[in-house]
Amino acid sequence: DVKVTQSSRYLVKRTGEKVFLECVQDMDHENMFWYRQDPGLGLRLIYFSYDVKMKEKGDIPEGYSVSREKKERFSLILESASTNQTSMYLCASSQPGTGSYNEQFFGPGTRLTVL
Amino acid sequence: GEDVEQSLFLSVREGDSSVINCTYTDSSSTYLYWYKQEPGAGLQLLTYIFSNMDMKQDQRLTVLLNKKDKHLSLRIADTQTGDSAIYFCAEILKSGNTPLVFGKGTRLSVIA
Repeated sequence: DVKVTQSSRYLVKRTGEKVFLECVQDMDHENMFWYRQDPGLGLRLIYFSYDVKMKEKGDIPEGYSVSREKKERFSLILESASTNQTSMYLCASSQPGTGSYNEQFFGPGTRLTVL
Repeated sequence: GEDVEQSLFLSVREGDSSVINCTYTDSSSTYLYWYKQEPGAGLQLLTYIFSNMDMKQDQRLTVLLNKKDKHLSLRIADTQTGDSAIYFCAEILKSGNTPLVFGKGTRLSVIA
């Protein structure tokens, strides 16, 4: 069974803390993505990566950074957490391919609260 | 830029059909998708349609694509309480390393 796992389901941090959200996939996928999900705003893409050590900015990268040192692991970093980063964070992975329908597999999400 | 629009809420009675609608702006979409998110969970691919198709049926699910109007719909026949979830429409502009563009999601509530 294919799996995308996220390190925590719930996380509570204080303003100004450095926060690490970890995502691991066991499908040997090339592509990995980080989204945040907020009511009424849907999913917004923060960063994505097409290969190890590669990263691309999504629609809302400000206040975030990422790290992809190994193919299976994609980390989202909040350098200095702020209350407006309270959200649900979703990780996904996919395998590119010509003619493929590029299904993205999602983790269960991490609900982050910044106090 | 690309944009995907869908209504935020839909309420139906158990046993009725549900129709969730979506419009998109970019005519170069290759694949269009419907994802389902159950409470407290991540998204799961429900079905997809290639842009050269008009319709796709999979058990209780029917996807209709009108390329001229850039309109996609998902019909769920005999809606059950287990179908209560958020449904996301998404498009991809070309295969390969291009992110999906998601709509904001439609919350389907099924009344027993």
